[in-house]
Amino acid sequence: DAGVTQSPTHLIKTRGQQVTLRCSPKSGHDTVSWYQQALGQGPQFIFQYYEEEERQRGNFPDRFSGHQFPNYSSELNVNALLLGDSALYLCASSLGVGPYEQYFGPGTRLTVT
Amino acid sequence: EDKVVQSPLSLVVHEGDTVTLNCSYEVTNFRSLLWYKQEKKAPTFLFMLTSSGIEKKSGRLSSILDKKELFSILNITATQTGDSAVYLCAVRAGKSTFGDGTTLTVKP
Repeated sequence: DAGVTQSPTHLIKTRGQQVTLRCSPKSGHDTVSWYQQALGQGPQFIFQYYEEEERQRGNFPDRFSGHQFPNYSSELNVNALLLGDSALYLCASSLGVGPYEQYFGPGTRLTVT
Repeated sequence: EDKVVQSPLSLVVHEGDTVTLNCSYEVTNFRSLLWYKQEKKAPTFLFMLTSSGIEKKSGRLSSILDKKELFSILNITATQTGDSAVYLCAVRAGKSTFGDGTTLTVKP
């Protein structure tokens, strides 16, 4: 049973550039949520996708956008990168948008220089 | 704004000790509370709690939720060095809000 997968593992970008991170949910899951985790802090909710639509959004600027594909995989796009965007980006999947168990992928470590 | 506060921020114990980690919350439209263990990267799911007073157990770990007082505790008995990690509490309302975690260090 494949768990949540994310790519790439690590990424180094320059300020002002754009980045795309990818996530494949756990088998049988149809909902994907994205989180940003800065060092020493808990994950901060970015947004959630279900049925190819953004269902919930946290306090992140419009530079952060996403997409969900018919196979439930998802992308997170960040435009005009800032130094403060350096963080671990985690993807989590669940079945539906209810109070269900949520499983995390290994994350993508983004460094902006 | 939804808020989740975990305490203590960090804890150092010796193998065999019992620890209690705390999570208090203030959220609108509570749906569930989840505990995770984070060692290096991906948080690993431990428990999901939706009802007050019902203890969930898995081996040496257990957790309980009090929806009246708005808190949950995670207990770990007979701690082992492999329990060393950051323990995260998250509350799912419309979205998920995480606390900043408790860093547990278990010394041999």
